[in-house]
Amino acid sequence: GAGVSQSPSNKVTEKGKDVELRCDPISGHTALYWYRQSLGQGLEFLIYFQGNSAPDKSGLPSDRFSAERTGGSVSTLTIQRTQQEDSAVYLCASSLQGLEGHEQYFGPGTRLTVT
Amino acid sequence: GQQVMQIPQYQHVQEGEDFTTYCNSSTTLSNIQWYKQRPGGHPVFLIQLVKSGEVKKQKRLTFQFGEAKKNSSLHITATQTTDVGTYFCAGQGAQKLVFGQGTRLTINP
Repeated sequence: GAGVSQSPSNKVTEKGKDVELRCDPISGHTALYWYRQSLGQGLEFLIYFQGNSAPDKSGLPSDRFSAERTGGSVSTLTIQRTQQEDSAVYLCASSLQGLEGHEQYFGPGTRLTVT
Repeated sequence: GQQVMQIPQYQHVQEGEDFTTYCNSSTTLSNIQWYKQRPGGHPVFLIQLVKSGEVKKQKRLTFQFGEAKKNSSLHITATQTTDVGTYFCAGQGAQKLVFGQGTRLTINP
């Protein structure tokens, strides 16, 4: 079956513009995570959705970042008024359950470059 | 909140040498997972450990989960160039899976 997909694969935007990044998780996966990875760095947790529960937004770096998950499936990460320090690869991952120790399946990521 | 520390941050070895990365959690974990990210790729699940003191092997890779379920290690015997990449541990706490910062392994052929 299809894995996690993300779009676009690459995004170049000018400083100050808004961007939307999309994640399509594996069908049936109730947990969805967003991470940010700067070049050569680790995974920075951003936000976590589990079923119909309120999302865990504790990793969002500023109020310019927001995310939503519609119908428990597709998720969109929005970055408003982008800054150069937002440049990174944004990874989405999904799993069957968030709390049951199920493995996370990662998408290929969206490489965001803010000029 | 829960923190997962991983050391070393970088490791460079000669092909054929062994490699170990260590993972420590600030809280007791229900399980720990290991992932590998090849250069230019995305993290891929390797294994999950659940039981206290558990040891699992995958060919040249040996994974251990500490007795207190707060630490773990990944050991690679006789590294090969295909082992190059970043290895992440991820600890399952009460709320969510928390990733360590990863150990980046480079190998001299």
